[in-house]
Amino acid sequence: DAGITQSPRHKVTETGTPVTLRCHQTENHRYMYWYRQDPGHGLRLIHYSYGVKDTDKGEVSDGYSVSRSKTEDFLLTLESATSSQTSVYFCAISEGQGYRVMDTQYFGPGTRLTVL
Amino acid sequence: QQPVQSPQAVILREGEDAVINCSSSKALYSVHWYRQKHGEAPVFLMILLKGGEQKGHEKISASFNEKKQQSSLYLTASQLSYSGTYFCGTQGAGGGNKLTFGTGTQLKVEL
Repeated sequence: DAGITQSPRHKVTETGTPVTLRCHQTENHRYMYWYRQDPGHGLRLIHYSYGVKDTDKGEVSDGYSVSRSKTEDFLLTLESATSSQTSVYFCAISEGQGYRVMDTQYFGPGTRLTVL
Repeated sequence: QQPVQSPQAVILREGEDAVINCSSSKALYSVHWYRQKHGEAPVFLMILLKGGEQKGHEKISASFNEKKQQSSLYLTASQLSYSGTYFCGTQGAGGGNKLTFGTGTQLKVEL
């Protein structure tokens, strides 16, 4: 199994509070991704990173920011959490060998976030 | 725009076959299939590349029609372990290391 951990695994917070989720990998993979998973929507990309300090937006990036200061860590921040951000958040990594060929993505165990 | 998967859900008896379809409105370079069991992370099954190359799982097969931007996943002689939600992820024709996932197909295999 790919070495990916997410923390915390479960979190309950209140509307308006800041929240940071952490993804940590031990594979030295170039690409890291944050997805949210909601019933009826599948997996939707929030942000991704293609290297240290290199990030880009996904399809549902509003209300989220990310940072990657080290290869192994990718942080997802909700500056002011809202109830609509209640979801399961998955981190994923991929090796990123080349531009054309999309490598396999390996997913972390997920973080269940509840915003009251 | 997310690819459309069909059916949304299917129930099989052990040993029966199933086909899950994935259709995109955009030109594609590759299609990736994942399976997710309840409460767990998605797990990679298969990649289908433009040009027909297929990589992945031994007991599950798939096809990729580049002209129609469609892919189908074939599950034959289903086993109880096949139960879960299947997602297709599409890579656009321009390349790039990101996928757009479909909304999923729930598959349940019963005795």
